[in-house]
Amino acid sequence: EIVLTQSPGTLSLSPGERATLSCRASQTVSNSYLAWYQQKPGQAPRLVIYGASRRPNGISDRFSGSGSGTDFTLTISRLEPEDSAVYYCQQFGNSRPYTFGQGTKVEIK
Amino acid sequence: QVQLVQSGAEVKKPGASVKVSCKASGYTFTSHDINWVRQAPGQGPEWMGWMNPKDGNTGYAQKFQGRVTMTTDPSMTTAYMHLSSLTSEDTAVYYCGRGPLRGSPYDETVFALDHWGQGTLVSVSS
Repeated sequence: EIVLTQSPGTLSLSPGERATLSCRASQTVSNSYLAWYQQKPGQAPRLVIYGASRRPNGISDRFSGSGSGTDFTLTISRLEPEDSAVYYCQQFGNSRPYTFGQGTKVEIK
Repeated sequence: QVQLVQSGAEVKKPGASVKVSCKASGYTFTSHDINWVRQAPGQGPEWMGWMNPKDGNTGYAQKFQGRVTMTTDPSMTTAYMHLSSLTSEDTAVYYCGRGPLRGSPYDETVFALDHWGQGTLVSVSS
């Protein structure tokens, strides 16, 4: 089973700043199979990045993904209050089970 | 628009079973796998398994093997997740999610859950 470790646990930033979230895998994950989700309280997760760096239709270009191998990054530029959420990475396709990271909480001051 | 609408909250006793439904609309139901994910209170999501509505093939996380059964009714564009022998550790919100489009070119495939149901709270308590 691939273990995904996210850091930091919590990010507290001001509007307009940049958030950098890390996801480290216990073994190599193909770029095609790394996704990021945003989850707000009481809501289902929402896909914000797939294929490590691709944005679904309707996702702001302030969200960007990068990385390869075992190290991946989600960057949220020009933070807005609506970005306050927990963000999860997931490997989807490398091997089952399709594991999630434990999440990074982004707080907007 | 794509929608996945799940059945309502359930309260179960230990040892009982639960069946959660997920009604899909806005796309060709048999073209995408349905995945099930659960999330215990205060925890991250946990992937449970997938089902191909076209041919009925399934794949379950080893943790749930023997306790979970995923089925679909293509005529009703509805997927079901049945979980048996419930314990308090099964208390969680259960989500269905739409998986990748089958048959699409590899470079264009969205290897992720691009649409999710609203979640179904299953509470297990004596």
